[in-house]
Amino acid sequence: QVQLQESGPGLVKPSETLSLTCTVSGGSISSYYWSWIRQPPGKALEWIGYIYYSGTTYYNPSLKSRVTISVDTSKNQFSVKLTSVTAADTAVYFCARAPSTGYYYFDSWGQGTLVTVSS
Amino acid sequence: DIQMTQSPSSLSASVGDRVTITCRASQSIRNYLNWYQQKPGKAPKLLIYAASSLQSGVPSRFSGSGSGTDFTLTISSLQPEDFATYYCQQSYSTPLSFGGGTKVEIK
Repeated sequence: QVQLQESGPGLVKPSETLSLTCTVSGGSISSYYWSWIRQPPGKALEWIGYIYYSGTTYYNPSLKSRVTISVDTSKNQFSVKLTSVTAADTAVYFCARAPSTGYYYFDSWGQGTLVTVSS
Repeated sequence: DIQMTQSPSSLSASVGDRVTITCRASQSIRNYLNWYQQKPGKAPKLLIYAASSLQSGVPSRFSGSGSGTDFTLTISSLQPEDFATYYCQQSYSTPLSFGGGTKVEIK
């Protein structure tokens, strides 16, 4: 049973960079797509982007200029960096896995981590 | 970008009721539609993928249907553990997108 766990600072100052890591255990990071998804308090889910284990990435155009997703297969981890954050980036951030079946659905999720942007 | 619209945004129902939630895409997404259940403070859980395929371990009272632009999630007999928020998600094209959610509350 694969498990995903997000880690990183829970508080980030405005204009700084948000950095989170997702550690995958109980399974290999290979042959899957790995995504970051966020949810502002009381609001709906927003997909940030994905990385394939080979390193191919795709970002939501709404965040593309500020986001970078990377993978470290040796550590079974992938990470997200979001630059120039504002209060609008305050959200619970989830990491999730999607099988490479052609139907891009998220079958495993981390528990989520709340990141607050505030001075 | 494809916009996903769910209706209703909330509903009240009783245990044992049949519940139907609708999701509409702004353009045809064939059957690239997935459904999730989210409880407060928890991560979403996959229920249905490819519009009508039941994820392993999900009770058979959950079912999905539709293709093109209109989709439904049906709970045949609502159970106490089903009170939650439900989201649809299109995977036809990037950027992937979710609906606004439907909150199922106890009547």
